[in-house]
Amino acid sequence: DTGVSQDPRHKITKRGQNVTFRCDPISEHNRLYWYRQTLGQGPEFLTYFQNEAQLEKSRLLSDRFSAERPKGSFSTLEIQRTEQGDSAMYLCASSLAQRESDTQYFGPGTRLTVL
Amino acid sequence: ILNVEQSPQSLHVQEGDSTNFTCSFPSSNFYALHWYRWETAKSPEALFVMTLNGDEKKKGRISATLNTKEGYSYLYIKGSQPEDSATYLCAYYGGSQGNLIFGKGTKLSVKP
Repeated sequence: DTGVSQDPRHKITKRGQNVTFRCDPISEHNRLYWYRQTLGQGPEFLTYFQNEAQLEKSRLLSDRFSAERPKGSFSTLEIQRTEQGDSAMYLCASSLAQRESDTQYFGPGTRLTVL
Repeated sequence: ILNVEQSPQSLHVQEGDSTNFTCSFPSSNFYALHWYRWETAKSPEALFVMTLNGDEKKKGRISATLNTKEGYSYLYIKGSQPEDSATYLCAYYGGSQGNLIFGKGTKLSVKP
């Protein structure tokens, strides 16, 4: 399978713990995006990378959140001191970005539950 | 604040019925409108990317139209099948940011 993969698929944690999620994009894609979906809402943008550079961050991305893409390939999203409000589906997507409107291909998501 | 609205929120139809959904988006600074289908426990699947006013796209029994001047797109499903059951998301790309702005989706349930 050469699509976008995410790990883990599910994560249950206690409030106050740190969690880290991984995203492996489609190999030739240079753009990588993180979105979050909470119950009853559409996916909301968190941040995106072009190669290893983080080009944009949403106001939703508080200082407890950090994302990296060290070699321009896979990316990690870390949430420190998790809160119950962080419970959501975290989606990763990648695109080739030859044109700005190119399709973003999504992974299956990581569902986070904070108890 | 850029807002993307989808209606209806949910839809229940019988197998064989045809159906359609609406996506409303800002008509200014328009670059593209994306449609995705998201089945439970799977990745959102890209259906269409539409960029030109009057665009019509088709994929099997699913088709979509685009009106950028008035800021809406319709998605049509002809002869719904149970496997069409999913949440259908539209997303606006305005060009001034790197990300898509999604609607809340329309959840379609097709009963056999």
